[in-house]
Order: sequence, then structure tokens, then C-alpha cells
Amino acid sequence: DQQVKQNSPSLSVQEGRISILNCDYTNSMFDYFLWYKKYPAEGPTFLISISSIKDKNEDGRFTVFLNKSAKHLSLHIVPSQPGDSAVYFCAASPPYGQNFVFGPGTRLSVLP
Amino acid sequence: DAGVTQSPTHLIKTRGQQVTLRCSPKSGHDTVSWYQQALGQGPQFIFQYYEEEERQRGNFPDRFSGHQFPNYSSELNVNALLLGDSALYLCASSLRNSRYGYTFGSGTRLTVV
Repeated sequence: DQQVKQNSPSLSVQEGRISILNCDYTNSMFDYFLWYKKYPAEGPTFLISISSIKDKNEDGRFTVFLNKSAKHLSLHIVPSQPGDSAVYFCAASPPYGQNFVFGPGTRLSVLP
Repeated sequence: DAGVTQSPTHLIKTRGQQVTLRCSPKSGHDTVSWYQQALGQGPQFIFQYYEEEERQRGNFPDRFSGHQFPNYSSELNVNALLLGDSALYLCASSLRNSRYGYTFGSGTRLTVV
């Protein structure tokens, strides 16, 4: 039973355009969500997070939107750069939990 | 400032053997979590150690065990290796038994043959 889903295994975007990565979750108890970026041969790197009390969080080119009623979050990258090419993981955590449930990842390719 | 350090980077073991993976947390962090990432999948939580005790555990069999030392470093042990244990094993450190500020290491690639 996959509690965190990323239904797009891959996404290609032109440099300078917007990248939108989507994530759906099934467990309504999740109250904290994160996005991680992973390059080959490196560990996941934290990008941005959002608490369930918010519906938007922004950090530079990265914005995460949370729709609790739809159990859906998305990561927007504007403008996309070739260095953004990586695998992006969505992750979620229940209250008082010290662990994250990760989605399977979306491979983003930003084309020059 | 060193981040999370994992050793070894790569390892090949035979089915049925035992393996120990090591992790040194980021300076200032006292909590270590271990994750297994199979090919094409996201990381899956194994367990978390804080104050030298296992605090939370994911859905992994008892063949997976761990330890945390007084200097906060940690070991992951896997007994009776199966082919399906082949994966990237990631260690993450954080502060004070927390889910915030996770920092991941680069992982240990374990291949079971």
C-alpha cells in the first residue's frame, strides 16, 4: 500500500520554463511534507517543506503548494535550470513521527 | 563542517552472509535514521536511534538491527542476507529525536549475490 504517490516517473522541461512536480498521499494523518532532490551517487538533499497548517511555502525559485482536501501537493520550480535535473522525492510524516514516507520519485530533465 | 558520513560506499556480499554498515552523523546532530532505497523506489524507513536506543521502527524483519554509540555514530546490521536486500542504504541525521533538519549521507550500495 503506497501511502505517497508520484505518478509521473519522469518530466522534461525547457530551460527557463516552469517545472511542476506532483505528489498525492492517502494518509490523512500526515501533517508535514517535504521535497528532496537526489543526484546520482549522492544522498537526497532537502529542498523545501510545508506544514499542514499552511497551503503554500516559498523559497527562492521553489514553491510548494498543499491541498489538504485533495491530499495533493506540488512543487513548482521557476525558472527551471539545467542544474535542476535530478530525481525529486516527495515525503510525508505523521504527527509525532520521526520517520518519513517517501514517494517513488520523479526524474526531472531540464533541457537547455 | 562534515556532513553525514557513511562507510563503505559499495559492498558485495553473498546470500546468507551478514553485513554491517556504518554512519557518522553531521556535527551537532544526535539522532540517526536508516533508510533502504531499492532500485527505482523511494527510500523506505528502517529505524531511528536516539540516546543509544531504537525509538521507532519501520516494517522490516528482525534480521535488520542497529546500534548507536555514545558518540552518536550508528551501525546497521543485516543478518542472513537475501538477494532482495540489495539496495542503497541511506543514513540520515537530525537533532533531538526530531523529524526536522534531516541530513542524508550518500549511502552504501549493497549488492547481494
